[in-house]
Amino acid sequence: DIQMTQSPSSLSASVGDKVTITCRASQSISTYLNWYQQKPGKAPKVVIFNVSSLQSGVPSRFSGSGSGTDFTLTIRGLQPEDFATYFCQQSYSAPYNFGPGTQVEI
Amino acid sequence: QVQLQESGPGLVKPSETLSLTCNVSGGSMSYYHWSWLRQPPGKGLEWIGYMYSSGNTNYNPSLRSRVTISVDTSKNQVSLKLNSVTAADTAIYYCARAYSGSYWHYLDYWGQGALVTVSS
Repeated sequence: DIQMTQSPSSLSASVGDKVTITCRASQSISTYLNWYQQKPGKAPKVVIFNVSSLQSGVPSRFSGSGSGTDFTLTIRGLQPEDFATYFCQQSYSAPYNFGPGTQVEI
Repeated sequence: QVQLQESGPGLVKPSETLSLTCNVSGGSMSYYHWSWLRQPPGKGLEWIGYMYSSGNTNYNPSLRSRVTISVDTSKNQVSLKLNSVTAADTAIYYCARAYSGSYWHYLDYWGQGALVTVSS
C-alpha cells in the first residue's frame, strides 16, 4: 500500500494569510494526487485534482504543486470559509489512501 | 446537478451485515467509478472501494473479504454490504462518484454521509 503523510497536522492562521500544507507519498504516484476540504459535519469536497488542476467552482486562491512523492496545497489570501480540514489522497494505486489531514484553524 | 443520498440502518449488531444504499440523481451512472468511503467520527478517511459502471470492482485489501459493492443502473443506485461487522466498523459511510481520466481519478460528488454504529 502507498502511505500518505501530511504536515503540519494543524495550523493557526489569520484571514488574508498564505497557508501551505505538504503531503508526501511513500512511493511515486505520478500525477494522481488530489486535495479535499472538509468542514465539520459535512462531506469532503475536492478542491484540487491531478496535483494542480482546480476543481470547477473552487476559488483561484487555491493552488497545488509537486511531483513524484512530494506535493503542496497553497491557499493565498485565506478567507473565513477556508477554515477546515484538508486531506490529500493518492489515486495511483489501490487502496486509494488519504493523508491524516491538516486542520486549518483561526 | 448530481446528487447522492445514502440510506440504511443506523445501528447494526456485531457479526451482522451492514447494508447501505446510495441513490443517485441528476446524472448518468455510465463511465464513472461508484465509490464508498468511511470515516470514524473525529478521524480520517478510509477508501473502501468502487464498482465501475461496467461492473469491474476494486476493493481495499483490508476489507476485501467482507465487502461487496454493486451498482444497479436501472434504479440509479449503488449498494454497499459489509459483513461480520465489529465496533471498529462504526463510522460515517460516504457514497461518492469518482471521475477518471488519463492521469487522474478523483471523487467529484459525495453524499452527505450516513452514520452507522455497530453495537449490541
